[in-house]
Amino acid sequence: RKEVEQDPGPFNVPEGATVAFNCTYSNSASQSFFWYRQDCRKEPKLLMSVYSSGNEDGRFTAQLNRASQYISLLIRDSKLSDSATYLCVVDPRGGYNKLIFGAGTRLAVHP
Amino acid sequence: GAGVSQSPSNKVTEKGKDVELRCDPISGHTALYWYRQSLGQGLEFLIYFQGNSAPDKSGLPSDRFSAERTGGSVSTLTIQRTQQEDSAVYLCASSLVATDTQYFGPGTRLTVL
Repeated sequence: RKEVEQDPGPFNVPEGATVAFNCTYSNSASQSFFWYRQDCRKEPKLLMSVYSSGNEDGRFTAQLNRASQYISLLIRDSKLSDSATYLCVVDPRGGYNKLIFGAGTRLAVHP
Repeated sequence: GAGVSQSPSNKVTEKGKDVELRCDPISGHTALYWYRQSLGQGLEFLIYFQGNSAPDKSGLPSDRFSAERTGGSVSTLTIQRTQQEDSAVYLCASSLVATDTQYFGPGTRLTVL
């Protein structure tokens, strides 16, 4: 079983739609959680950290469920520019960010 | 300001040759990481440097892989006797301190023929 699992997609949605991605992780002792965004042939960039209480950044909302070991990302009012691969990332040990990346979920937003 | 830079951006080599990949972290960043991303796969941690401490090499896939970081700044990842399965994008990241956000370079796309 992979340490971090994601549905690879692609999710094809129209502009303005709401879309949600889930991710599961295997190490129950994991310390920190993140969503990164990766555009085609580009480097990953931090989208947002995921806090236990859930957090929101504009149109993006991240949730963490430690009991079920999953993380979610909700994107509201999708824009064409949201088209990318979204990487679920887990820091299993804390102390330093030795990150474990999921393979990513691809999102394509169309007009 | 300048981000993480990597060179070369693309490298094509023949099986059995050695390659060197270079990473210039953001100035002042003490932590440096190497990852590998194979087609359709998530990033795979390779090695981590923090200041003058001994590096964490736990992610290196074989003894053909090695890395060094000179003067606490530039890092070089060396792959000896390359194999076709080494073909991937090699990404470098740096962070101000170990627990801070990692900033990635654009990567080196390695193709082993």
